[in-house]
Amino acid sequence: EVQLVESGGGLVQPGGSLKLSCAASGFTFSGSTMHWVRQASGKGLEWLGRIRTKANSYATVYAASVKGRFTISRDDSKNTAYLQMNSLKTEDTAVYYCTTHNWGIGGPWGQGTLVTVSS
Amino acid sequence: QSVLTQPPSVSAAPGQKVTISCSGSSSNIGNDFVSWYQQLPGTAPKLLIYENNKRPSGIPDRFSGSKSGTSATLGITGLQTGDEADYYCGTWDSSLSANYVFGTGTKVTVL
Repeated sequence: EVQLVESGGGLVQPGGSLKLSCAASGFTFSGSTMHWVRQASGKGLEWLGRIRTKANSYATVYAASVKGRFTISRDDSKNTAYLQMNSLKTEDTAVYYCTTHNWGIGGPWGQGTLVTVSS
Repeated sequence: QSVLTQPPSVSAAPGQKVTISCSGSSSNIGNDFVSWYQQLPGTAPKLLIYENNKRPSGIPDRFSGSKSGTSATLGITGLQTGDEADYYCGTWDSSLSANYVFGTGTKVTVL
C-alpha cells in the first residue's frame, strides 16, 4: 500500500524551529520528487517547495514565503523526506502535508501534521 | 493571492453536473499541465486529475478535466452527496522561480 506519514508537528514559540518528517512506503521513494504543502485553518493550499531525486542532484526550490527559513531534505536510505523550519512566525501555523507528483502511484498525500506557532 | 482563480462555490442537485473553472495565464496554465485535487471535510487532499485530463486508478469517470489556453475546467457528472468537498487546481508557474501554484479553491455543495 502506498503511504505517506508526516510527523513532528506541535507547538513552538515564535522564532523557534521545528523539523517535520515524511515517511514513505509502498513505492520507490528514491525515484520520486517530494513536495511540501501547507494549509492554514479555513484557508487554501500553499505549496512550500520540493526536492528532486539523486539523479537530479537533490535539487530544491522554495516558495518565496519560506525561502531562507525552510529547508527540504531527504534520506533515501530511510525513505523519508524532511522539512526543517526555522525562524517560525505565527503565520506559519498550519497543517503541513507531504506529497509526490508520482502520477503512476496516484500522487499520494500524507494525512498532515499540525504546526502551531504561538507564545 | 493565488495566481489561479476559481469560483468560491458551485452547487447542484444530486445526479446533476457541475463544472469548476480555473483561470490562469500564459506563465502557468498556458505553459504546463493542470492537476485537480479533492479535499473532503477534515481530510487531506487527494489527486483527482493529472496532466489536464487523466484520472489516477480508482477515480471514477464521473470526474473529467480539460484545458484550453489559459483556463482549465473540472467536470463532475452524476453528482453525489459524497462529492461535497473543496476542489483545487494546480500547475507550475514559470514566472515564479518555477514554483507550483494552487487555485483559490471551490466549495461544491450538493443541494
